[in-house]
Amino acid sequence: DAGITQSPRHKVTETGTPVTLRCHQTENHRYMYWYRQDPGHGLRLIHYSYGVKDTDKGEVSDGYSVSRSKTEDFLLTLESATSSQTSVYFCAAGTNYGYTFGSGTRLTVV
Amino acid sequence: GQQLNQSPQSMFIQEGEDVSMNCTSSSIFNTWLWYKQDPGEGPVLLIALYKAGELTSNGRLTAQFGITRKDSFLNISASIPSDVGIYFCAGPLFGNEKLTFGTGTRLTIIP
Repeated sequence: DAGITQSPRHKVTETGTPVTLRCHQTENHRYMYWYRQDPGHGLRLIHYSYGVKDTDKGEVSDGYSVSRSKTEDFLLTLESATSSQTSVYFCAAGTNYGYTFGSGTRLTVV
Repeated sequence: GQQLNQSPQSMFIQEGEDVSMNCTSSSIFNTWLWYKQDPGEGPVLLIALYKAGELTSNGRLTAQFGITRKDSFLNISASIPSDVGIYFCAGPLFGNEKLTFGTGTRLTIIP
């Protein structure tokens, strides 16, 4: 289903620049999540949200911030991009009975 | 840190073969989920398990929730080309809404 939309799908940015990734859901889920996927590490949780304006850190939150001003939108910001943040970023929504994932954003920091 | 260990990390099989993979944890899980990720896409939920000992099927896929609640198994019978991808196990650590994911098993089918 097309319940989770991420934008952009691909982005190349320079070291030191701020970057914002967007996630939009149409499923009215209370919980939303940002993961990054890197070879050998699987999916690691960056930040999550349990409601509008309610967010908390995941296991790899350093260098990232998030905002949720509406139920349907969850933004991930890299304040000052570094090469170690080159990754594929996935947004998800749902409960621990099973998330729905977006198609991902491939971010390259050069 | 990573709480779920998946094995094998990768598999190379021929079309028609059966596949088995597993996921183990040092912690107890109350729910086990299995996802599949196609190239260039996000993971998609295949099977969800909610009870120790539970055996659940979805077409050619069968998954089991281990009795100890610290492991789960996924079997694929008579593999076909579209089974190619990465398979992840996942579960809610400490019973909260956050899912912890395994490192994945990459399945490749040799022509």
